[in-house]
Amino acid sequence: DAKTTQPNSMESNEEEPVHLPCNHSTISGTDYIHWYRQLPSQGPEYVIHGLTSNVNNRMASLAIAEDRKSSTLILHRATLRDAAVYYCILRFGNEKLTFGTGTRLTIIP
Amino acid sequence: GAVVSQHPSWVICKSGTSVKIECRSLDFQATTMFWYRQFPKQSLMLMATSNEGSKATYEQGVEKDKFLINHASLTLSTLTVTSAHPEDSSFYICSARTSGRAPTGELFFGEGSRLTVL
Repeated sequence: DAKTTQPNSMESNEEEPVHLPCNHSTISGTDYIHWYRQLPSQGPEYVIHGLTSNVNNRMASLAIAEDRKSSTLILHRATLRDAAVYYCILRFGNEKLTFGTGTRLTIIP
Repeated sequence: GAVVSQHPSWVICKSGTSVKIECRSLDFQATTMFWYRQFPKQSLMLMATSNEGSKATYEQGVEKDKFLINHASLTLSTLTVTSAHPEDSSFYICSARTSGRAPTGELFFGEGSRLTVL
């Protein structure tokens, strides 16, 4: 399975943008890049996913490098409720999701 | 978005007893459900993939006779931890994939069920 590499933790000030990086140098041409987040004591929550082009939704934006070997999840204006573990996952088709260690995001008031 | 509900959200049981956890898709039909386990401060580990009407597929190292999975309908999958022991204490999370959505789309997760075995 192609793997992803994320920083263990990051901090950001409230109401500022947050850029969460993910490296996936062994990504294959058919892998989609998925982002999920897990708030404390809850199940994961879908954030966004993409293949090649940058994607935007109401929660976040996903910027994908031209060579697809890295991507960045962008939270445009962090709130305290965005404090969570963010997982960057490569997924082929509709196969299972395999979670890595993710990035623990702390929001500073 | 689609809703997946788990029950119970937490359970405490004595060592040696069996515990059943339910996972329901409330507003969609789920042909496939996934069961995960998460120990404190660790990531989610996939235990098994449950397909409606057929036997579950277990990940390597997961004992199928200990973790019984039944997916009898398109809206319900159950995980039974048989003869539970303290080391089975964990956060169990299910996820469902809709039958009608694009295959590369999102998965929906339940709230999780915290099991504590005394």
